Amino acid sequence: NAGVTQTPKFRVLKTGQSMTLLCAQDMNHEYMYWYRQDPGMGLRLIHYSVGEGTTAKGEVPDGYNVSRLKKQNFLLGLESAAPSQTSVYFCASSSTGVWGTEAFFGQGTRLTVV
Amino acid sequence: AQKITQTQPGMFVQEKEAVTLDCTYDTSDQSYGLFWYKQPSSGEMIFLIYQGSYDEQNATEGRYSLNFQKARKSANLVISASQLGDSAMYFCAMREAYSGNTPLVFGKGTRLSVIA
Repeated sequence: NAGVTQTPKFRVLKTGQSMTLLCAQDMNHEYMYWYRQDPGMGLRLIHYSVGEGTTAKGEVPDGYNVSRLKKQNFLLGLESAAPSQTSVYFCASSSTGVWGTEAFFGQGTRLTVV
Repeated sequence: AQKITQTQPGMFVQEKEAVTLDCTYDTSDQSYGLFWYKQPSSGEMIFLIYQGSYDEQNATEGRYSLNFQKARKSANLVISASQLGDSAMYFCAMREAYSGNTPLVFGKGTRLSVIA
């Protein structure tokens, strides 16, 4: 079972470059999320999606865009990378948005912006 | 205001001893879920245990139990008989019901180190 797969696992970008992180899930989940993890900050929500074609802003959305063109994929884009976006990015999915539903996480993407 | 507070940045425990990791939460919702995740040094997020706000009994999963005190708004994780493999970051998280589709909100985590 693949579960939630993130691509790539590591990336180094120069300031101002753009990139897209891909998240794919094979569990037919409706809900998908992008979080970033920084030391001492826990996981903070960037954007999320409650279904194909829908997206919503989370706690720290600035500098990121997302798209959910297919149910199984959730893309996170950085249009002009900044050193402040150096972080570990996690994608997650859940079957519903109901309060008792756990989220399943990908393995993370470590992004460094120099 | 923080929704999830984990006041212990780091904890040490002797192997085979029990340890409690603290978590307090803030919500005005009556329906909510509380989750604990483990993040070992390899980086993945592993779901450990869940407690619903209406659950009358504390959740247990093997060596993990959740000490749920609703009036105090606390959801502490208890790990019994600690093992070296329990050394990891532990995150408490909450999901509220107010809008029907709320994402998980995480605390800042506690780093647990198990000593042989």
